[in-house]
Amino acid sequence: DAEITQSPRHKITETGRQVTLACHQTWNHNNMFWYRQDLGHGLRLIHYSYGVQDTNKGEVSDGYSVSRSNTEDLPLTLESAASSQTSVYFCASSESYTSGSYNEQFFGPGTRLTVL
Amino acid sequence: AQSVAQPEDQVNVAEGNPLTVKCTYSVSGNPYLFWYVQYPNRGLQFLLKYITGDNLVKGSYGFEAEFNKSQTSFHLKKPSALVSDSALYFCAVRDSRVRGSTLGRLYFGRGTQLTVWP
Repeated sequence: DAEITQSPRHKITETGRQVTLACHQTWNHNNMFWYRQDLGHGLRLIHYSYGVQDTNKGEVSDGYSVSRSNTEDLPLTLESAASSQTSVYFCASSESYTSGSYNEQFFGPGTRLTVL
Repeated sequence: AQSVAQPEDQVNVAEGNPLTVKCTYSVSGNPYLFWYVQYPNRGLQFLLKYITGDNLVKGSYGFEAEFNKSQTSFHLKKPSALVSDSALYFCAVRDSRVRGSTLGRLYFGRGTQLTVWP
């Protein structure tokens, strides 16, 4: 069965370190998204991609970067981790959006990141 | 600008009673609306969506949602709650535009914690 996976599921790191969170989907979806979930804020969009070599900033992109070299993967990198980036991170994917296409997003299980 | 409001952080209901989780939205153009559920330590799972047509949408696990254009609402409902329905529920609206960099983005509410007590 197709799925979307994230690794690691839990990560503890120190302030200033570079961290990369992996997201891999086997749906063959063109669209991929990264969100962070924090109490009181719900889900906030960090970065998203509509296809290979395409990336776009979301509403909370400062301190994060992504690159899309293939359809299956969208790794999220924290360039220099800060305590404010302690959060739960979710990756999601969906089919291409075209006129008449309204497909829902499928979510991964999440990565809990703690920055000390 | 697109946005979603879930006015209640928590909803408590007794098992067997009907439940309602409220959602209102603001969107340019036609709204595409979604409900997701999140169980503890899990990702979000899709419940149902409204795109067009019948204002009452039926989804997974016996949930349904009623689209009301005049009130810009999309409330989630279930006739008889189960303890296993206890979870965090998110409403989301999709940008209806078919061009531009924001194409297809989902805007989420802050979530409503539903607790069903026995």
